[in-house]
Amino acid sequence: EADIYQTPRYLVIGTGKKITLECSQTMGHDKMYWYQQDPGMELHLIHYSYGVNSTEKGDLSSESTVSRIRTEHFPLTLESARPSHTSQYLCASSQEGGNEQFFGPGTRLTVL
Amino acid sequence: KNQVEQSPQSLIILEGKNCTLQCNYTVSPFSNLRWYKQDTGRGPVSLTIMTFSENTKSNGRYTATLDADTKQSSLHITASQLSDSASYICVVSDRGSTLGRLYFGRGTQLTVWP
Repeated sequence: EADIYQTPRYLVIGTGKKITLECSQTMGHDKMYWYQQDPGMELHLIHYSYGVNSTEKGDLSSESTVSRIRTEHFPLTLESARPSHTSQYLCASSQEGGNEQFFGPGTRLTVL
Repeated sequence: KNQVEQSPQSLIILEGKNCTLQCNYTVSPFSNLRWYKQDTGRGPVSLTIMTFSENTKSNGRYTATLDADTKQSSLHITASQLSDSASYICVVSDRGSTLGRLYFGRGTQLTVWP
């Protein structure tokens, strides 16, 4: 089982709140990713990082932001949550030179 | 446009029966193809990986096949168990980018009934 963790697992918040979704991995992987997944739909890449101080936007436009200050930590922040942000957010990591991505359990976000 | 299409969208089978899930892709240049299992409320977990030169790979009761010429893959599940109920996602990787971009199918939702 992959050593990648996400908190919280479930979050219900009101519109306009600022939230941070946490993701940590203990495998020493340089590459980390955030995906958004709606029910019955494919995963969409919203952010990725090659390493510390490296962050890039993915294929799907997102109002969220990320940071990578430490190798093991890749938090995602929404400054002002809206109902359209309701979704499942999956964090993943992979080692340099390899492309198997190991996924965390996900955070299911509901914005009322 | 790089795409991954899976069929059927959903499938219900009885415990102990076999089933086959399909995946067609247009990703190019092709690097490898993985099948992931995603339990409800969890992240995907890799079942098998196949490169261009491999045409079959087994992992216990799971057997994946790949036809790189027709760009098709299948995942065969033998003697299904209740714990096989999950979404099975076909993921294709290209080798045209340093990111090792992954292209995800929408998954086949498998339900195994007792």
